[in-house]
Amino acid sequence: AQSVTQPDIHITVSEGASLELRCNYSYGATPYLFWYVQSPGQGLQLLLKYFSGDTLVQGIKGFEAEFKRSQSSFNLRKPSVHWSDAAEYFCAVGAKPAGGSYIPTFGRGTSLIVHP
Amino acid sequence: DAGVIQSPRHEVTEMGQEVTLRCKPISGHNSLFWYRQTMMRGLELLIYFNNNVPIDDSGMPEDRFSAKMPNASFSTLKIQPSEPRDSAVYFCASSLRGENTEAFFGQGTRLTVV
Repeated sequence: AQSVTQPDIHITVSEGASLELRCNYSYGATPYLFWYVQSPGQGLQLLLKYFSGDTLVQGIKGFEAEFKRSQSSFNLRKPSVHWSDAAEYFCAVGAKPAGGSYIPTFGRGTSLIVHP
Repeated sequence: DAGVIQSPRHEVTEMGQEVTLRCKPISGHNSLFWYRQTMMRGLELLIYFNNNVPIDDSGMPEDRFSAKMPNASFSTLKIQPSEPRDSAVYFCASSLRGENTEAFFGQGTRLTVV
């Protein structure tokens, strides 16, 4: 079965600083990987996704993530954080049973706190 | 498209009562997922449907939980009887079955059982 580990429960950064959120996955086949963001009281919004091809993927709001198969990682990065980026970030791996749809399995999330 | 629509947004009920959560997936999507989010367990997949058919309900915590999808545009998650430990945020998500597609989430229903 697939699983996702997000080792950091909380991350605190200053506004304007760079950001990296870690994600490690476990999956026996080629993974399909996602990052979602959740603002308080809201649903999950997709930031970016990796299915195949270029291992560096660009997303919305200036985020990017790099897939590293050798490290089973899919870390999320942003060069300069804005106060509005404060939210909960979830990494997910999608398993695709034969004939079915991707079923996202989520990590526990990382809470991003941004200091002015 | 309005996205995935869930109702109600908030529900407060007394222990022992029946609770029904509703979901309208994005038009044209043929996979639907129900998740539960708690502080203790994070986001857990409860059940998912393909073409209105339940495929895997192994995440449903117990027989008090049931889910239906009578047509492509509507699904319900029912808890009967409800218990305080069912308090959580319940999310519905839908996706287009096939390659290179992602799940789109609703705003969630915050359930409080007192």
